[in-house]
Amino acid sequence: DQQVKQNSPSLSVQEGRISILNCDYTNSMFDYFLWYKKYPAEGPTFLISISSIKDKNEDGRFTVFLNKSAKHLSLHIVPSQPGDSAVYFCAASEGGNQFYFGTGTSLTVIP
Amino acid sequence: NAGVMQNPRHLVRRRGQEARLRCSPMKGHSHVYWYRQLPEEGLKFMVYLQKENIIDESGMPKERFSAEFPKEGPSILRIQQVVRGDSAAYFCASSVTTNEQFFGPGTRLTVL
Repeated sequence: DQQVKQNSPSLSVQEGRISILNCDYTNSMFDYFLWYKKYPAEGPTFLISISSIKDKNEDGRFTVFLNKSAKHLSLHIVPSQPGDSAVYFCAASEGGNQFYFGTGTSLTVIP
Repeated sequence: NAGVMQNPRHLVRRRGQEARLRCSPMKGHSHVYWYRQLPEEGLKFMVYLQKENIIDESGMPKERFSAEFPKEGPSILRIQQVVRGDSAAYFCASSVTTNEQFFGPGTRLTVL
């Protein structure tokens, strides 16, 4: 039972443009959401998070939006850079004990 | 402050052997999580431990798999009598609180 879904396995974006990565979840009790970035042969690296009391969190070029009614979150990267090319995972948790990860979206930023 | 360390990075075992995967959390982190990533899949939670205690093992197979996080030393994920389906990347993460987790580089287990 996949509680966190990333329906786009891959995304290609031109350098300088906006990258939008999407994530849907099914459990309305999730109260904390994170985005991780992963390069091949490395562990995931924390990127940005948001708690359920907010609908937006921004950190430099990265912004996460949370739509609780739609059970949807998205990560916006503006402007996209070639170094952003990686696999992006969203994750969600209820109370912090167990995190559920999506299957990832592979982002390619074309120079 | 060194990051989360995992060893070995690559482990090859024959069917029926035992695999031991080690994870040293970041200094000051008392929460450890193990995840498994099968090919073409996302990270799947296996177990959450604090020092000497298993907090949540709901994601771990009931047989052949065990985990520990002793008072001294690294956390160990142990897989007995490995089968080909155990071939995967195993990631460990640690945290201070129960929110932001820092991941290690992973151990890639190949079962021949």
